[in-house]
Amino acid sequence: QVQLQQWGAGLLKPSETLSLTCTVYGVSFSGYYWSWIRQSPGKGLEWIGEINHSGSTNYNPSLKSRVTILVDTSENQFSLKLSSVTAADTAVYYCARKTGGSSSFFWFDPWGQGTLVTVSS
Amino acid sequence: DIQMTQSPSSLSASIGDRVTITCRASQSISSYLNWYQQKPGKAPKVLIYVASNLQSGVPSRFSGSGSGTDFTLTISSLQPEDFATYYCQQSYSAPQVTFGQGTKLEIK
Repeated sequence: QVQLQQWGAGLLKPSETLSLTCTVYGVSFSGYYWSWIRQSPGKGLEWIGEINHSGSTNYNPSLKSRVTILVDTSENQFSLKLSSVTAADTAVYYCARKTGGSSSFFWFDPWGQGTLVTVSS
Repeated sequence: DIQMTQSPSSLSASIGDRVTITCRASQSISSYLNWYQQKPGKAPKVLIYVASNLQSGVPSRFSGSGSGTDFTLTISSLQPEDFATYYCQQSYSAPQVTFGQGTKLEIK
């Protein structure tokens, strides 16, 4: 059974860097893209970016200048860093596996449990 | 960006009702449309992938249809555990995907 478990700091001050990690259990890390998605009352569900086992990444253009996604295949982990956070970055952040096949034929399953990140001075 | 618009935003229904939720894309997305269910405090869970394919383990009362710009999620006979928020998500413009704003299904 594939499980994603995520953790990271839940309270940040403006201008700090958000850092979250997701560990993958029950499946080989290779062969998939691994994503970060966030959910806020104001913007709903928003795709942040993704990475595969070889470190190839894709980012949401609206966040690209502040986002870094890294992979550690030895630990079956991938991580998210979002710099210069503001109150607008307050959201529940999820990690998820991109499941399916080629290019557009995919969905997100499973998801991590979510981490509430609050940005406040 | 491809915009996804769901209707209605909220819906009240009774146990046993047939319910339909609509999702409209701002441009054609072929059949690259997924549906998720989210309960309070939990992550979204996929119900339907690529417009009409039922995810393993999802009850058969859930079904999806549509192509191009217009899609529907139907629950044939509402059960108590179905009261939740439902989201559509397009994967046509991969890798960047977009979600609908959600439809909250409440008990009448």
